[in-house]
Amino acid sequence: GAVVSQHPSWVICKSGTSVKIECRSLDFQATTMFWYRQFPKQSLMLMATSNEGSKATYEQGVEKDKFLINHASLTLSTLTVTSAHPEDSSFYICSAKTSGVTDTQYFGPGTRLTVL
Amino acid sequence: DAKTTQPPSMDCAEGRAANLPCNHSTISGNEYVYWYRQIHSQGPQYIIHGLKNNETNEMASLIITEDRKSSTLILPHATLRDTAVYYCIVRVVGAGTALIFGKGTTLSVSS
Repeated sequence: GAVVSQHPSWVICKSGTSVKIECRSLDFQATTMFWYRQFPKQSLMLMATSNEGSKATYEQGVEKDKFLINHASLTLSTLTVTSAHPEDSSFYICSAKTSGVTDTQYFGPGTRLTVL
Repeated sequence: DAKTTQPPSMDCAEGRAANLPCNHSTISGNEYVYWYRQIHSQGPQYIIHGLKNNETNEMASLIITEDRKSSTLILPHATLRDTAVYYCIVRVVGAGTALIFGKGTTLSVSS
C-alpha cells in the first residue's frame, strides 16, 4: 500500500509555543490530505480537509486560527498548532488520499503532542 | 455517509479465524465498505474495501451480504499482532470526503 510519513513522531513543548507537524506522501501524489486528532480511549476525530493549493476546510468546532494547515505541494501538508495549551495535548494523525476509482485513504503513524 | 454498527469488543484465540461483523443497513448504492484497524498508538492501517462482491487480499477477506446491509471481516488465522481496534466505515467514493470513524470493535487475540 501507499506510504504516508509524519514528523516528528512525538513532541513536548511549553505552553504558549507553536508546534509544526509535517505529513508526507512518500510514493504517491495526494491532492487531498486530512488531519485527525485522537484523545485517549476515543476514536479519531476529523479536524480538517487540506487540498493542494487552496485553503483548508475545517470541521465545526475546530479553530482555523489555532490549527494552521498548509498544503503547498502534492506530497506535503503541515499542521501548525499555534500558542499550544495543555488541552491541545493529543495524538495527531494525517492521511492522504490516492486518486482513482476507489481513492483509498492511507494514514501516517501519528504525532504525539504533549504541552506542558 | 451511512452509519455503521459494530460490537464494542470481541475475543479470539490465536490461530483461529476472527470474524468481525458490521451492520450498515442504510448504505447507499454508491457507498463502499472500508475496513481499517488501529494498533495501539499507531495510525490506522488500511485492510480491505468492497462494493458488493466478496473481496480477499493478503490480510483478510470481506464478505458482503447480497442486500449489502451488513458485512463481515475475516482474519483467517489470527495472531497476537492482530490485536487492535477494527473500524468498519461506509463511504461514497470519488467525493473527496474523509473517512469518519465510529468506535469500532476492539479485537483481543490471546494465546
